[in-house]
Amino acid sequence: DTGVSQNPRHKITKRGQNVTFRCDPISEHNRLYWYRQTLGQGPEFLTYFQNEAQLEKSRLLSDRFSAERPKGSFSTLEIQRTEQGDSAMYLCASSLLGGGSPLHFGNGTRLTVT
Amino acid sequence: AQSVTQLGSHVSVSEGALVLLRCNYSSSVPPYLFWYVQYPNQGLQLLLKYTSAATLVKGINGFEAEFKKSETSFHLTKPSAHMSDAAEYFCAVSLNNQGGKLIFGQGTELSVKP
Repeated sequence: DTGVSQNPRHKITKRGQNVTFRCDPISEHNRLYWYRQTLGQGPEFLTYFQNEAQLEKSRLLSDRFSAERPKGSFSTLEIQRTEQGDSAMYLCASSLLGGGSPLHFGNGTRLTVT
Repeated sequence: AQSVTQLGSHVSVSEGALVLLRCNYSSSVPPYLFWYVQYPNQGLQLLLKYTSAATLVKGINGFEAEFKKSETSFHLTKPSAHMSDAAEYFCAVSLNNQGGKLIFGQGTELSVKP
């Protein structure tokens, strides 16, 4: 169990630029989740995958956001035309199937939009 | 829809004192409940989980939580606080029919005074 890996750890970008984050889940985990966390708040659910299928997207996930998990392994989260309000910590987590399976989180990617 | 309320955004205790962090949930069906801890600039680490077995759940680092259905509560306790317990704590709920995603509370920041 090497844990969930996220890259990069930090990203600073100018408003209007596109950014892409990568998440490598624990290898045997079928489910992969993306969350967003702003300062002083709990993580907010964005979307999740079961294998390569994206099964749910939050209303928080505007059309500027897109996530993929092309082969059911790693996932990418892209934000197009970034806005200052996108500044946040983006957390990835993975889990096994089954009710009550805990989510295992990566250390996150901190995005700052200037 | 399910939700989680953590009472008290900040709790301060003395080293060696009892730690009590409060969590109440709202769910129309029996939920799965979790406590996570987050240290600065890191992801979330699972402390413990309730999945309908024993109502008193023991976790890592000496923490435990008790599920009380009548009170819709899942409070986190530790008999004796250590300086290393200072962190942000999140309570979360999930339902079996919602793909395992977690809904988090707003978090409680625990400070430990020497």
